[in-house]
Amino acid sequence: GENVEQHPSTLSVQEGDSAVIKCTYSDSASNYFPWYKQELGKGPQLIIDIRSNVGEKKDQRIAVTLNKTAKHFSLHITETQPEDSAVYFCAASDGGSQGNLIFGKGTKLSVKP
Amino acid sequence: DAGVIQSPRHEVTEMGQEVTLRCKPISGHNSLFWYRQTMMRGLELLIYFNNNVPIDDSGMPEDRFSAKMPNASFSTLKIQPSEPRDSAVYFCASSPGGGNTIYFGEGSWLTVV
Repeated sequence: GENVEQHPSTLSVQEGDSAVIKCTYSDSASNYFPWYKQELGKGPQLIIDIRSNVGEKKDQRIAVTLNKTAKHFSLHITETQPEDSAVYFCAASDGGSQGNLIFGKGTKLSVKP
Repeated sequence: DAGVIQSPRHEVTEMGQEVTLRCKPISGHNSLFWYRQTMMRGLELLIYFNNNVPIDDSGMPEDRFSAKMPNASFSTLKIQPSEPRDSAVYFCASSPGGGNTIYFGEGSWLTVV
């Protein structure tokens, strides 16, 4: 089955700097890669996603890149702000299932003012 | 749409008691997921349903856990008897299915003492 590895587990940046979180996956049949942001006391919220027919996608300060050959994808946050502080999860679709996602362990991002 | 609705939001119970967590998925979604989140193990899929039918329950820890989905708008996760190691946040999520985005509820925070 699918396995998703996420790095780093914690990341601290200065406000205004960029943050990059990387994930690798194992199942070449995976074709959908969402990223979730989880704030304290809340459920994970989708922030951006990418499908396997696209190499990069941007939404304002957030971008995701996908390298299918290497089986890795990354989240890039530019001009970070204190409100970006949260736990971020990557996920990959389980190629053999009917829509399930396999999640990484999460990255705790801290943006210092 | 109100999103995925879970109840109770918080529950503290004594070891050995029965716990029932409830979920109302987003209207029109035909896939429903139950996840458990702990610091040690991250987000784990317990079970998921497609069109009210359990598809994969391999993540259910043991026979003390059971889940039902009697109709398209309601699901329960039951723990009987509960143990302290069951303390975690339990998330319900739903999806339109077919490899689309999974939307999470706000979670049920369970503490078993």
